[in-house]
Amino acid sequence: EAQVTQNPRYLITVTGKKLTVTCSQNMNHEYMSWYRQDPGLGLRQIYYSMNVEVTDKGDVPEGYKVSRKEKRNFPLILESPSPNQTSLYFCASSFSGTVPTGELFFGEGSRLTVL
Amino acid sequence: AQSVTQLGSHVSVSEGALVLLRCNYSSSVPPYLFWYVQYPNQGLQLLLKYTTGATLVKGINGFEAEFKKSETSFHLTKPSAHMSDAAEYFCAVSALDSNYQLIWGAGTKLIIKP
Repeated sequence: EAQVTQNPRYLITVTGKKLTVTCSQNMNHEYMSWYRQDPGLGLRQIYYSMNVEVTDKGDVPEGYKVSRKEKRNFPLILESPSPNQTSLYFCASSFSGTVPTGELFFGEGSRLTVL
Repeated sequence: AQSVTQLGSHVSVSEGALVLLRCNYSSSVPPYLFWYVQYPNQGLQLLLKYTTGATLVKGINGFEAEFKKSETSFHLTKPSAHMSDAAEYFCAVSALDSNYQLIWGAGTKLIIKP
């Protein structure tokens, strides 16, 4: 089954404790992206990757890191989480980020709470 | 800079009534337009998209949207609402001047009254 898998789905952590949210897709997609969803703000892009070893900042990259060492994986790293990073996070992938008609496939989301 | 405006954070309709969710965009270059739907506790999935050609676009579950360049709009409609349509709907635009990254509206939560 074609899918984007995120882990963990739910996480409660404390300020300053490093965490990683993993994302994996099995569709051989070139493009992957991370979004955060907050009420009333829609989706805001954190980072995206057009292909392996190529990453770019989105609209809200501060406090986050990513890496794309393999085509299928695109982990999101919070080096020192703060309460304002409490949010619902989505990973998404697409066949190609340079083709605007491509459909984005989303994971089921990871709800993160930072105390 | 591009932007997407969805009028109404919540829209409530009765079952069987017309659904109309509004989306206006700003873009200085020809846009590609999308509607995504998010059911409770799930990720988003594509409902329909406009790229080129016919301005009336049909999507899944009986939804359709019309691209009106003169009004910079891409409103989503469905003739008769079902209870299963209750979800949050997001309009998004992609264009060359944003490096084809999707710019998202804030979302509209559709509530269906029995």
